Amino acid sequence: GAGVSQSPRYKVTKRGQDVALRCDPISGHVSLYWYRQALGQGPEFLTYFNYEAQQDKSGLPNDRFSAERPEGSISTLTIQRTEQRDSAMYRCASSLLGTASNTGELFFGEGSRLTVL
Amino acid sequence: GNSVTQMEGPVTLSEEAFLTINCTYTATGYPSLFWYVQYPGEGLQLLLKATKADDKGSNKGFEATYRKETTSFHLEKGSVQVSDSAVYFCALTYTGGFKTIFGAGTRLFVKA
Repeated sequence: GAGVSQSPRYKVTKRGQDVALRCDPISGHVSLYWYRQALGQGPEFLTYFNYEAQQDKSGLPNDRFSAERPEGSISTLTIQRTEQRDSAMYRCASSLLGTASNTGELFFGEGSRLTVL
Repeated sequence: GNSVTQMEGPVTLSEEAFLTINCTYTATGYPSLFWYVQYPGEGLQLLLKATKADDKGSNKGFEATYRKETTSFHLEKGSVQVSDSAVYFCALTYTGGFKTIFGAGTRLFVKA
């Protein structure tokens, strides 16, 4: 597709279940980012990939959160043993350029809204 | 550390009113500065950007000037329309970095 695609758009799960959120970036984009956005707040950085390499995961809240991008394209953010505090909008973004020159824009998907009951 | 502070909303204006949304930043080095807009039900999209001091970014009638001396990047529009109703996010990417750091967002309502 032409834009960043995320699935599912909405996910309701019970506390303790694992969830996987998928991101399909714009074709040819080197960099892929995961952000989390709480209601009324700006996006908060979680992790970042250049191609298949995870360059920084310092924003992941704890070891229940992990992300991968095995072939340098589609990425999956996995949350294990979900807790109510994990409820948020999870946004994926991609950009054309890598870390060499990050003055380019981020292209965001519509997000995956996660609700943990 | 690097951070972005923007004015709290919501901001409510009548159509054709002048808009200013304040944004200040703290950063090491020379960041690039951005305004993103989020329309209802959509993802964030870039509105405008400026990559060095005194640059002016502009798009769709919106403008913002990178002011290093005041560490600010205020968003302005001379005459807002109902269709400008959205949430506006100020953001920065710092020198040599890759993280884009966002402010909390300012919701704008424009009444007909």
